[in-house]
Amino acid sequence: GAGVSQSPRYKVAKRGQDVALRCDPISGHVSLFWYQQALGQGPEFLTYFQNEAQLDKSGLPSDRFFAERPEGSVSTLKIQRTQQEDSAVYLCASSLITEAFFGQGTRLTVV
Amino acid sequence: TQLLEQSPQFLSIQEGENLTVYCNSSSVFSSLQWYRQEPGEGPVLLVTVVTGGEVKKLKRLTFQFGDARKDSSLHITAAQPGDTGLYLCAGAGAGGTSYGKLTFGQGTILTVHP
Repeated sequence: GAGVSQSPRYKVAKRGQDVALRCDPISGHVSLFWYQQALGQGPEFLTYFQNEAQLDKSGLPSDRFFAERPEGSVSTLKIQRTQQEDSAVYLCASSLITEAFFGQGTRLTVV
Repeated sequence: TQLLEQSPQFLSIQEGENLTVYCNSSSVFSSLQWYRQEPGEGPVLLVTVVTGGEVKKLKRLTFQFGDARKDSSLHITAAQPGDTGLYLCAGAGAGGTSYGKLTFGQGTILTVHP
């Protein structure tokens, strides 16, 4: 596709439910990043993939958060046993060399 | 912890006024990027500055990277309502981190009134 595609755009989850957020990067982009953005704040780094290898997961807030990119293309961010503090916009970005292109994000609301 | 301090956090001005947004850090970055984000959308890259002291212009927007590559500013001349949005600075490559791993400031919400 022409840009980074994320799905779903909106997700409402009951507390304790597991969720899976999908990211389709720009074709051929080696690097893929996940960020979490609270309302009115800047995005915060979660994790980084180079092809299928997860090179940095230092930003994942707890072991309830898990990300994968098994074939070096599509990535999934999974959150287990969601809690209210997980409510945020989750942004995916991909890059070839230096410039990162962001998707529109998935707005997760935990009720 | 790398921190990018962005100021002001909120800016409300009239059409035609000038404004400056500042981004400061104690860390040295390989590059610094400025993004604009509209509600419901992801950040869109405006410019990347790499060299200390570098100045880049994009129409009415002027971006400057500090000599020590720790700070940056965004100046908008004759602001228009279409400039309204969240402006984010982001640093890359500090402390040997992955080049694409960005550290964002908290953002400046700009509102330009007609």
